[in-house]
Amino acid sequence: EPEVTQTPSHQVTQMGQEVILRCVPISNHLYFYWYRQILGQKVEFLVSFYNNEISEKSEIFDDQFSVERPDGSNFTLKIRSTKLEDSAMYFCASSEPGQETQYFGPGTRLLVL
Amino acid sequence: AQKITQTQPGMFVQEKEAVTLDCTYDTSDPSYGLFWYKQPSSGEMIFLIYQGSYDQQNATEGRYSLNFQKARKSANLVISASQLGDSAMYFCAMSSPSGNTPLVFGKGTRLSVIA
Repeated sequence: EPEVTQTPSHQVTQMGQEVILRCVPISNHLYFYWYRQILGQKVEFLVSFYNNEISEKSEIFDDQFSVERPDGSNFTLKIRSTKLEDSAMYFCASSEPGQETQYFGPGTRLLVL
Repeated sequence: AQKITQTQPGMFVQEKEAVTLDCTYDTSDPSYGLFWYKQPSSGEMIFLIYQGSYDQQNATEGRYSLNFQKARKSANLVISASQLGDSAMYFCAMSSPSGNTPLVFGKGTRLSVIA
């Protein structure tokens, strides 16, 4: 069964460093999303992406964040200068056009020291 | 704005028994989708079940069913014949009408299944 994959599974970085989180959505899906979950809290929406551009973003998704689809399969989230409060689990999700169900990847656990 | 409320931070259930996890929602949209996801201790988010606001029948997927009461704005998850592997966090979520829109999540309920 097709699934969303994410790399790395864990990432430890120093405050101020740039990180890139990678996702491979399900192949026939055209809508992509990033969510984050701070430890012990609920899942929060960051950004959605369709047709090579951001379709929606939350207040969390400030200038430190960017997304890109560099090729036909990968979808990346970049955090330019990480802060301690960026420590969280980051989930990628994807969905088919016209379908509401989003399928999530296994997540990348980011720890900023 | 959409909002999901899960009032049970934690629940216990005996193995093989049924359990209901509560979810209420608030939205001004006439059309929306409701979802339940399972998050085991390993951290991944597993899609369980979906209910559309205009669906006439309650959704079912194996041992999972969604008790949808539109007038009460509730979308409770019922797990029948609980298994030890059902121990996890369960999140209720909703989407807005046009599809392919961000999900709004509740705070979750931690379910513990006891042998």
